[in-house]
Amino acid sequence: DAEITQSPRHKITETGRQVTLACHQTWNHNNMFWYRQDLGHGLRLIHYSYGVHDTNKGEVSDGYSVSRSNTEDLPLTLESAASSQTSVYFCASSRPGQGVYEQYFGPGTRLTVT
Amino acid sequence: AQSVAQPEDQVNVAEGNPLTVKCTYSVSGNPYLFWYVQYPNRGLQFLLKYITGDNLVKGSYGFEAEFNKSQTSFHLKKPSALVSDSALYFCAVRDDTGFQKLVFGTGTRLLVSP
Repeated sequence: DAEITQSPRHKITETGRQVTLACHQTWNHNNMFWYRQDLGHGLRLIHYSYGVHDTNKGEVSDGYSVSRSNTEDLPLTLESAASSQTSVYFCASSRPGQGVYEQYFGPGTRLTVT
Repeated sequence: AQSVAQPEDQVNVAEGNPLTVKCTYSVSGNPYLFWYVQYPNRGLQFLLKYITGDNLVKGSYGFEAEFNKSQTSFHLKKPSALVSDSALYFCAVRDDTGFQKLVFGTGTRLLVSP
C-alpha cells in the first residue's frame, strides 16, 4: 500500500545545530507540504512544493528550508535550530491538478531543541 | 487571505448523544472545506470534504458536516457519539484559485464519556 513516512520520529538537538527531517511518500503525489503543530496554533504551513525543483514559502518559513530533487521526497532543514522550533512536524502530500484533493499526512516527527 | 475559526477548545459529550464540533471560515471566492481527525501520537486523517452541491456531506466513521454559506460555517456532526470518537478535530479551508494549500483551524478536542 502507498504511504507517507517521516524520520526520525523523535529528535533531540542542541541550539545552533543543523537538523534535517525526512519525508518520503509512495503515492506518486506531486504536491507535498510541511507543517508544524503547536498548542493553540493548530497546524501552520512551513513550506510546500508542487513538483520537482518547485518550492514555496508558507506562513512560518523563517529558519527552515526545503529542496525537491525527486517526486518522493521533501526533506525539511532547520539551518540553525532554535528553541522556538521545538514542535511536532508533519509532512503531507496530495494529488496534482485542478481538483479538490485531500492531503495525506505522515505520522509526525517530535523535535526538541535544547 | 483565508482563515478558519474553531471557537471551542474542547467539546464534552456522553456516549450515545449527538455531537457537534463548530467551524467557521473566511475565504475569497468559493470555499473548499475539510475535516480531519487526529488520534494521540498520530498524523491527521481525512474525514470529509465539501466542494459543491449538497450542503450535507457524509464522511468516514459515521461523521457528517453541514455547509452553511450564509453563516460561513461547516460544522461537524455525528448522530450518536462513541467513546472511540475522542480525538482532536481540525477544520481546514482552501480557496478556488487552484492552489492546493490548506489553512487549518486551531483544533477542537472531543471527549466522549462512557
